[in-house]
Amino acid sequence: DAGVTQSPTHLIKTRGQQVTLRCSPKSGHDTVSWYQQALGQGPQFIFQYYEEEERQRGNFPDRFSGHQFPNYSSELNVNALLLGDSALYLCASSLPTSGIGETQYFGPGTRLLVL
Amino acid sequence: GEDVEQSLFLSVREGDSSVINCTYTDSSSTYLYWYKQEPGAGLQLLTYIFSNMDMKQDQRLTVLLNKKDKHLSLRIADTQTGDSAIYFCAEPYSGNTPLVFGKGTRLSVIA
Repeated sequence: DAGVTQSPTHLIKTRGQQVTLRCSPKSGHDTVSWYQQALGQGPQFIFQYYEEEERQRGNFPDRFSGHQFPNYSSELNVNALLLGDSALYLCASSLPTSGIGETQYFGPGTRLLVL
Repeated sequence: GEDVEQSLFLSVREGDSSVINCTYTDSSSTYLYWYKQEPGAGLQLLTYIFSNMDMKQDQRLTVLLNKKDKHLSLRIADTQTGDSAIYFCAEPYSGNTPLVFGKGTRLSVIA
């Protein structure tokens, strides 16, 4: 049973550029959430996708956008990168009808460095 | 849930018990979670507890929940060097998902 996968593992960009990160959910899961984890901090919720639509959003600017595809995989796009966007970006998948709530399973993350 | 608090560091000797504490804010949370993060890695779900439970035991892990004080703890029995990691307490953001995390407790196990 494949877990959550993310690509790429590492990425270096410069300020002002745009980046796209990708996530494939755990087999059987249909909901994908994205989190940003700055160094020394806990993950912060960015947004969640379900049925190809953004279902919930955290306190992040519109520069952060996403997409979910019919196969439940997802992309996170960040435009006009700032130095402060440097972080580990985590994707988590869940299944709303699971017996223990929407327990989230995380991928290994994409480490983004903005120079 | 809006704010989850954890102590930042804990150091224990190999073989001793570790207790990691957490306070949360949303009394309507149905589940509370503990995640483990090893260096350079993603988050691994360790265990969870349903809000109508006071205690849950899973092998070396014991979770205690005090709903009155909104206090959650994770006890690791017979702590091993492989338990060295950052441990995050998390509660749902709204409804049952997604999650609000604490800043994490860095557990160091001394051989």
